[in-house]
Amino acid sequence: GDSVTQMEGPVTLSEEAFLTINCTYTATGYPSLFWYVQYPGEGLQLLLKATKADDKGSNKGFEATYRKETTSFHLEKGSVQVSDSAVYFCALSPWTGTASKLTFGTGTRLQVTL
Amino acid sequence: GAVVSQHPSWVICKSGTSVKIECRSLDFQATTMFWYRQFPKQSLMLMATSNEGSKATYEQGVEKDKFLINHASLTLSTLTVTSAHPEDSSFYICSADGTGTLSSYNEQFFGPGTRLTVL
Repeated sequence: GDSVTQMEGPVTLSEEAFLTINCTYTATGYPSLFWYVQYPGEGLQLLLKATKADDKGSNKGFEATYRKETTSFHLEKGSVQVSDSAVYFCALSPWTGTASKLTFGTGTRLQVTL
Repeated sequence: GAVVSQHPSWVICKSGTSVKIECRSLDFQATTMFWYRQFPKQSLMLMATSNEGSKATYEQGVEKDKFLINHASLTLSTLTVTSAHPEDSSFYICSADGTGTLSSYNEQFFGPGTRLTVL
């Protein structure tokens, strides 16, 4: 079945440091890939997405490129801020033509300090 | 943008009672909604897929009689935890399929979650 593997956290960075959170997946066909962010006490928010190979999703300075050859969707940001402290989830949705359930990674907690 | 609300945001109940959680898509219609459960510091576990006008599809290991799901309209799905026990205490999150928003095909929008504490 489909699966998503994320790097274990927590990840602790100083403000303005470079961020990479690794995500790899296993799926048949051509899934859509997502990064969701969960701030303390809140629900999940979509951060970015990519629906086909070589697509780059970007939002709020975060980027991730859909790499089919390496089955990866790593999240990057050039300069993190304290406000980016949250839990980040990588997820995939299989292409079925209709709504499909998401398969989530275990989440990576990011802590950014001054 | 597409907004999903949940009510209540938190609830405390006594063991043996039932609790109903509502999930609403506020500005779009969703034929499919999903219910997840999240344990502290863990990922989301899909409990069931809720389709408007039909029975929900439950994931393996989820008790249908304990977690009753009703998707009565295109904007409302409810999860009822029946005869709740302390082990049911968790964070319950719903999501709605955004296909109806045209630009968000195959994308889910999440509610803020409901924290259930069973004493």
